[in-house]
Amino acid sequence: GNSVTQMEGPVTLSEEAFLTINCTYTATGYPSLFWYVQYPGEGLQLLLKATKADDKGSNKGFEATYRKETTSFHLEKGSVQVSDSAVYFCALTHGSGNTGKLIFGQGTTLQVKP
Amino acid sequence: NAGVTQTPKFQVLKTGQSMTLQCAQDMNHNSMYWYRQDPGMGLRLIYYSASEGTTDKGEVPNGYNVSRLNKREFSLRLESAAPSQTSVYFCASIREKDTQYFGPGTRLTVL
Repeated sequence: GNSVTQMEGPVTLSEEAFLTINCTYTATGYPSLFWYVQYPGEGLQLLLKATKADDKGSNKGFEATYRKETTSFHLEKGSVQVSDSAVYFCALTHGSGNTGKLIFGQGTTLQVKP
Repeated sequence: NAGVTQTPKFQVLKTGQSMTLQCAQDMNHNSMYWYRQDPGMGLRLIYYSASEGTTDKGEVPNGYNVSRLNKREFSLRLESAAPSQTSVYFCASIREKDTQYFGPGTRLTVL
């Protein structure tokens, strides 16, 4: 079946460090891929998305490229800030008819220290 | 424009009690969803409603019922709460293709 696997957390970085959070997926057909972010005590917010192979999603300095050959959608940021501390979820939508149902990875906690 | 709102924000129940979690959106979205979030497991879909008047089971529907009261509102009911239902519950709705908007969540503890 369809699934999403993220790297284990927590990830602890110093401010201005480079961030990579790995995400790989298993899906039939051509899913759309997403990164959502959850700040402490809040709901999830869409961070970026890509809807077809080789698309690059980007937002707030974060970016991820839809790699069909490696079934991956790794999240990167060149210089993290303390305010980026949050839980990051990789997700995909699947199925014909686009019911919009999301399948999530388990989430990766990022802590950025000053 | 409040987006997706959920009530209550926190709730403590005893085993066997019932309750309804409320969700409303003011964005004129057709589809709405209920997820639960558990540590180390991401979010899992409980039920969804593709349009007013329709509901379908998701990945973990057992122990829950839903009602799509109108286009704005989608409620989740626990008829007889169990400790395994201790979780954070999120409601979401969809605007354009694929982009879901989430509410702030309800943190439920079942003793």
